[in-house]
Amino acid sequence: DTGVSQNPRHKITKRGQNVTFRCDPISEHNRLYWYRQTLGQGPEFLTYFQNEAQLEKSRLLSDRFSAERPKGSFSTLEIQRTEQGDSAMYLCASSLTGLAPSTQYFGPGTRLLVL
Amino acid sequence: AQSVTQLGSHVSVSEGALVLLRCNYSSSVPPYLFWYVQYPNQGLQLLLKYTSAATLVKGINGFEAEFKKSETSFHLTKPSAHMSDAAEYFCAVSPPDNDMRFGAGTRLTVKP
Repeated sequence: DTGVSQNPRHKITKRGQNVTFRCDPISEHNRLYWYRQTLGQGPEFLTYFQNEAQLEKSRLLSDRFSAERPKGSFSTLEIQRTEQGDSAMYLCASSLTGLAPSTQYFGPGTRLLVL
Repeated sequence: AQSVTQLGSHVSVSEGALVLLRCNYSSSVPPYLFWYVQYPNQGLQLLLKYTSAATLVKGINGFEAEFKKSETSFHLTKPSAHMSDAAEYFCAVSPPDNDMRFGAGTRLTVKP
């Protein structure tokens, strides 16, 4: 079963450092989403891609955040100059358009702790 | 803008009792509605989804939800709770083929 995978699963970093997370979607899925989830809250939408095009970005995605999906397959989410407020679970999901509603399948997440 | 509100951040039931998790939505267009479950340190797993085909939707693990347009609700129920149902449950709304908006979640505790 090749579901959505995310690496690393856990990341501890010091404030001011840059971090990069990777998401590998289900292979035939053309849409890929990034969410952030803080303790006791539901996932908050950050951005999504259709193939390699980034179609929407949330206001939550400050200029320190950048996401790419260069070949329309895996995606990376980079956070520059991390702040303690960036500590959260970062979730990736993928879906296939054309089947409304598109069901999003989630990966296990990357838990980030900024010290 | 679409949104969901989950009433009750924590729900506690006894094993074998009815589970009722509440979700109300706000949407300017006919919504698609979802319930997801999240176990500790894991991603979200789809329980069920409303697609307008039927107002009563059956999902996995014995859960079901009923779409009530007049009440703008999509409550999740299960007739008899199991210990394994203890988890965080999220209601979500989506316009057709677009990103989702999640509620804050309801933590379900099941007492023996």
